[in-house]
Amino acid sequence: DAKTTQPTSMDCAEGRAANLPCNHSTISGNEYVYWYRQIHSQGPQYIIHGLKNNETNEMASLIITEDRKSSTLILPHATLRDTAVYYCIVRVAEETGNQFYFGTGTSLTVIP
Amino acid sequence: NAGVTQTPKFQVLKTGQSMTLQCAQDMNHEYMSWYRQDPGMGLRLIHYSVGAGITDQGEVPNGYNVSRSTTEDFPLRLLSAAPSQTSVYFCASSYWGEQYFGPGTRLTVT
Repeated sequence: DAKTTQPTSMDCAEGRAANLPCNHSTISGNEYVYWYRQIHSQGPQYIIHGLKNNETNEMASLIITEDRKSSTLILPHATLRDTAVYYCIVRVAEETGNQFYFGTGTSLTVIP
Repeated sequence: NAGVTQTPKFQVLKTGQSMTLQCAQDMNHEYMSWYRQDPGMGLRLIHYSVGAGITDQGEVPNGYNVSRSTTEDFPLRLLSAAPSQTSVYFCASSYWGEQYFGPGTRLTVT
């Protein structure tokens, strides 16, 4: 199974872009990169996912390198409500289902 | 839609007791899963199901049983509670990729 490596913690000034990196050097060609976040003790919340191309939605942008060994989640204008733990997950597709393996994530603190 | 609901929100058990954590979803999702999250840690997959009648083990299945008799419900049963099972339990459902999580059940085993 492809694993991910993320920094333990990051700070970002309010209103600035937050760039969260993720390494997934053993990713397979048919595995997607997913990003979730968890605010305080709530259930994780889906942010975005991608396979090869860069993706953008109303919450964030996802930049995947050409060799797919790493990616970056970008929150364009961070607010205090974006303070959370962010998880980068590589989705493993198996015959009997699609399993998600969460690591420890990056704790992002947005500073006023 | 209520999304994914979990009951109870909080539970205290004594060592050796058994109980069932309930999870239900109203989105007609085939895929459901249970995770546990220990303090300061990420989520770890306990069991999952790809449809009614089909379940499989995740990373940390020992001490837990699951069943999936309907698409909507996916209960998690603790057979004989141990202090090591003190954790927050999250249920999730998805159709394919994006998972929807419930609010969690905070379980303490004394």
